[in-house]
Amino acid sequence: GNSVTQMEGPVTLSEEAFLTINCTYTATGYPSLFWYVQYPGEGLQLLLKATKADDKGSNKGFEATYRKETTSFHLEKGSVQVSDSAVYFCALSWGQKLVFGQGTRLTINP
Amino acid sequence: NAGVMQNPRHLVRRRGQEARLRCSPMKGHSHVYWYRQLPEEGLKFMVYLQKENIIDESGMPKERFSAEFPKEGPSILRIQQVVRGDSAAYFCASGTGLNTEAFFGQGTRLTVV
Repeated sequence: GNSVTQMEGPVTLSEEAFLTINCTYTATGYPSLFWYVQYPGEGLQLLLKATKADDKGSNKGFEATYRKETTSFHLEKGSVQVSDSAVYFCALSWGQKLVFGQGTRLTINP
Repeated sequence: NAGVMQNPRHLVRRRGQEARLRCSPMKGHSHVYWYRQLPEEGLKFMVYLQKENIIDESGMPKERFSAEFPKEGPSILRIQQVVRGDSAAYFCASGTGLNTEAFFGQGTRLTVV
C-alpha cells in the first residue's frame, strides 16, 4: 500500500541554520507529494507541493524536489527563523487516498 | 472564498454523551476527509467521503463512530457514548478529488470529562 516515512523528531536548530527534514514514500503509481505545516493550536496548512518527478515545490524559503529514483521529497530551507517552529508533515495523494507521515516537530532557538 | 469551516472549535462532553462535529468544505469541494490527532502525535485517518457516499472508512472505529456528508449541508462526524479516550483534536479536510491536495479546517478539540 501507499505510505510515507518521515525523519523522526524532534529537531532543534539555531536561527539561520540550514534545515533538512527527510521524507520517503512508497506508492504503487505516481502520486502527488506535499508538505504541510501545523502551528500550535491550528490546523494543517499546505506549505508546498509537487505533482510529477523532478518538480520542485517552493514557498516561504522552503523547497522540496520530487525524486522518483529515490522515492524521496526532502524539505529544505537555507536559513531558518524562530517563526518556523512548528510540526511538519509530508504527505502523498494517489487516487482517492491522502496519506500522511507521522510529523516532525521543529524548534528553532534564537 | 472561505476556507474549510469546522464547528465547534472546542467541545466538552461528559462520558456517555454524544458529540457531533461539523465540517463545511471549501466552495466547490466535494471530497471530505476526517482525521484524529492526539497530543504530540501525528494524524490518524478516519474516513473519506464524497457527497452522500462513504468512500473509505477503514480508519473509523467499528462502534460508536459514524460519518455522513449529505447532499445539502456540512459533513458530520458523530461519536456516540463518548469515553475519555475519545478526547482529541478532530480535523476535517476538503479537496476536489484525484491526486490533489486537501485543505484543512482549524479542528474541533473534544474533551470528555
